[in-house]
Amino acid sequence: AQTVTQSQPEMSVQEAETVTLSCTYDTSESDYYLFWYKQPPSRQMILVIRQEAYKQQNATENRFSVNFQKAAKSFSLKISDSQLGDAAMYFCAYMEYGNKLVFGAGTILRVKS
Amino acid sequence: SQTIHQWPATLVQPVGSPLSLECTVEGTSNPNLYWYRQAAGRGLQLLFYSVGIGQISSEVPQNLSASRPQDRQFILSSKKLLLSDSGFYLCAWSVGQVNTEAFFGQGTRLTVV
Repeated sequence: AQTVTQSQPEMSVQEAETVTLSCTYDTSESDYYLFWYKQPPSRQMILVIRQEAYKQQNATENRFSVNFQKAAKSFSLKISDSQLGDAAMYFCAYMEYGNKLVFGAGTILRVKS
Repeated sequence: SQTIHQWPATLVQPVGSPLSLECTVEGTSNPNLYWYRQAAGRGLQLLFYSVGIGQISSEVPQNLSASRPQDRQFILSSKKLLLSDSGFYLCAWSVGQVNTEAFFGQGTRLTVV
C-alpha cells in the first residue's frame, strides 16, 4: 500500500521569507499524481499544487513550487515570500487509481510578522 | 459550475445515538464520491468511496456505513455512535478514474459525548 510521510509536525517562517515543507512517499507505481493541500483554520481543504509523476519539470503556482525527486520519492513544497495568509496545516497527498487520496499527517506552518 | 454541499457543519451526539451526515454535489453527473475522516491533529483517512448509485467500497473496518441513494448524494451513517467516532468528516468528489483533482466540502465536526 502507498504511504505518505511528512516528517515536520510544525514549521515557522518569517513573513516575506522562504520555507520548504518536506514529504516522502512510497509506491511501486510509475505513473501517479502528487498534491499539496492547504487547510486553514476554517478546515476547508484547498488545493495548492499538483505534480504529475511522468513530468520531469517541477510544478509551480505563483509563490508555490515543488521539488519533485522521483527516484528518491520526495516531493517538497517551497513557499516563497511567505504571507500571513499562508499560515495553515499543509498536507502532502498521493493519488491512487480511482482518485483516492492517501494523505500524510500534515505540517502546521506558522508565519511570524 | 460544480459545487459540493455538506451538512451539518457541527454536530454533538451522545454515545449510542444514530448518525446521518449528508453530502450533495451539483453541476456534474456520475461523480466519484468520497468520505474522509480527520482525527484531531492528524491527516485525512479515506473511509468510503463510491463510483455510482448503490456502489460503495469501504476502506477501513469501522462503526460507520455509507449509502448513495442518488447519483449526486452520499450519506454517512451509524446506528450507534462510539466515542472514537469523533472527528472531522469531509466529503469529496471527482470525475473519472485516473488522476483528476478531488474537490472537498466544508466538513462536519462531530463530537460524540
